[in-house]
Amino acid sequence: GAGVSQTPSNKVTEKGKYVELRCDPISGHTALYWYRQSLGQGPEFLIYFQGTGAADDSGLPNDRFFAVRPEGSVSTLKIQRTERGDSAVYLCASSPTGIDTQYFGPGTRLTVL
Amino acid sequence: KQEVTQIPAALSVPEGENLVLNCSFTDSAIYNLQWFRQDPGKGLTSLLLIQSSQREQTSGRLNASLDKSSGRSTLYIAASQPGDSATYLCAFQGAQKLVFGQGTRLTINP
Repeated sequence: GAGVSQTPSNKVTEKGKYVELRCDPISGHTALYWYRQSLGQGPEFLIYFQGTGAADDSGLPNDRFFAVRPEGSVSTLKIQRTERGDSAVYLCASSPTGIDTQYFGPGTRLTVL
Repeated sequence: KQEVTQIPAALSVPEGENLVLNCSFTDSAIYNLQWFRQDPGKGLTSLLLIQSSQREQTSGRLNASLDKSSGRSTLYIAASQPGDSATYLCAFQGAQKLVFGQGTRLTINP
């Protein structure tokens, strides 16, 4: 079946602009995660959804970052007033229940000029 | 704060060798330990997941072990092939989120 998909695959924006990154999880998976990976590092947790609600947003670096999952399926990560330090690969993952294998999408590479 | 460390950071071996990648974690309250593979410019592919009640998992030429008391996991790759070249990441799951190590960049030379 279809895996986790993310769009766009690449996003280049200018400092100060607003961006939205989209994640389509595996159908039926109730848990959805966002991670951020900088070059040469392992992914770092940003936020976790169980259904429509954000169960853990402790990894969001500041209030410029926000994520939604209004219908419990697709999620959007929103970044306001982008900064050069936001440049990274943003990874989305989903799992059936939240305490089992996480399946990752291909990521969105964000470059802030 | 949970920390996950992977040693070595990079490893280069000739084709056919057996090898071991190491992962250590600081928090013994582990739920799962998951090993991933990441190819350059790609997302993560799950290789093996070991639940806290288990000591090891096997898939083909891969075997992962978990020792909660010492805070260690190892990934054993048998009869390595050039196609195994990738970055290998271990991830600790104490609640729902994963905490990753920095990865081991593996190169298998033909």
